[in-house]
Amino acid sequence: DTAVSQTPKYLVTQMGNDKSIKCEQNLGHDTMYWYKQDSKKFLKIMFSYNNKELIINETVPNRFSPKSPDKAHLNLHINSLELGDSAVYFCASSQTGQGAIDEQFFGPGTRLTVL
Amino acid sequence: AQKVTQAQTEISVVEKEDVTLDCVYETRDTTYYLFWYKQPPSGELVFLIRRNSFDEQNEISGRYSWNFQKSTSSFNFTITASQVVDSAVYFCALSEALSYNTDKLIFGTGTRLQVFP
Repeated sequence: DTAVSQTPKYLVTQMGNDKSIKCEQNLGHDTMYWYKQDSKKFLKIMFSYNNKELIINETVPNRFSPKSPDKAHLNLHINSLELGDSAVYFCASSQTGQGAIDEQFFGPGTRLTVL
Repeated sequence: AQKVTQAQTEISVVEKEDVTLDCVYETRDTTYYLFWYKQPPSGELVFLIRRNSFDEQNEISGRYSWNFQKSTSSFNFTITASQVVDSAVYFCALSEALSYNTDKLIFGTGTRLQVFP
């Protein structure tokens, strides 16, 4: 029943490891996003995919690689994790087209802690 | 550049008080959208409202109301008769159009509202 789901909810790992976060939406939306929320609650977009095509890449280190196998899924893979990657990562989705901009629906977030 | 300013970092009120959260934005776009999201202590982001730049009518939804004024580039949010459950961080956001069907959200830094019983 969940509209936008993310797994895992919590991720604790050592520096230097590689990890992935998965996101799925069942709303039939054509656009998905990844946002990062830092310890001060600041939310910033990282990536956006429209129909499996990358359309936004916001100066994110190339250790971060999004992958969209289909328009309902957008996964985030992070290589060589660093302490500064510790944050909450939110996935979101929206329906675009006709020049209108719809609201984005957010997943529950994944809290990543790098030790 | 597109920018959203929420000057109030934290607001504390007592239950049943009215409270207004301020949001001021900057944009070069003639068509844009403004949003408010709520982030309760549980951490999820809950959509509250979307407003088109051509629609300056104020909106009321229960105890929530929004005042959009293009002349001052503001989109303020008022909670009437606040309740403890309103305690959360509230984010104002502005859409930046990248193409006719592609956009990104620019978020303000959020206002933490604490409602005490």
